[in-house]
Amino acid sequence: NAGVTQTPKFQVLKTGQSMTLQCAQDMNHNSMYWYRQDPGMGLRLIYYSASEGTTDKGEVPNGYNVSRLNKREFSLRLESAAPSQTSVYFCASTGTTSTDTQYFGPGTRLTVL
Amino acid sequence: GENVEQHPSTLSVQEGDSAVIKCTYSDSASNYFPWYKQELGKRPQLIIDIRSNVGEKKDQRIAVTLNKTAKHFSLHITETQPEDSAVYFCAAKGGYGNNRLAFGKGNQVVVIP
Repeated sequence: NAGVTQTPKFQVLKTGQSMTLQCAQDMNHNSMYWYRQDPGMGLRLIYYSASEGTTDKGEVPNGYNVSRLNKREFSLRLESAAPSQTSVYFCASTGTTSTDTQYFGPGTRLTVL
Repeated sequence: GENVEQHPSTLSVQEGDSAVIKCTYSDSASNYFPWYKQELGKRPQLIIDIRSNVGEKKDQRIAVTLNKTAKHFSLHITETQPEDSAVYFCAAKGGYGNNRLAFGKGNQVVVIP
């Protein structure tokens, strides 16, 4: 099993450009998440999807949109990138029960100039 | 929602000594408490977790204790080694079908050879 995979690994954008971060998991997990990690701020939840067909806002959703394409894939879109969105983005997934382990993808390092 | 606080933010220990990181949580319904280790440039990885019906769990040099009354839990690392140097995140997941993890801001642990 590959676990949770993310593409791309690195990306540089100019202010105002758009892009989509891709995430996929092969563990048959129902729930998927997008976090951003900034120095000293820990992991902040952007959006999550409790199950296929549902999405909900997390702590810091402004400037982002998500799509739960199917059970395996959960994408994060930046419509008009801003320098404040420079960060490392992690996708994660977990099973249905409240005590299931949450697994993280390898991350995407995004720089917005 | 759940609020998790982590102390201290940075911890330096001599190789071979013990390290203890404490976290507090706010939601008495939380029932799952994982600890993640993140090495520089890598993804967070689960190192140990504890459910609310257990007071202590140990895995080799790592242990976690939970005090539900006081709403705090701690990570204990004994006989620290240079490879224990990393950022450690605690998290808590609430009950009532809540499948979201609330993370602390992380502790930088530095093991001095």
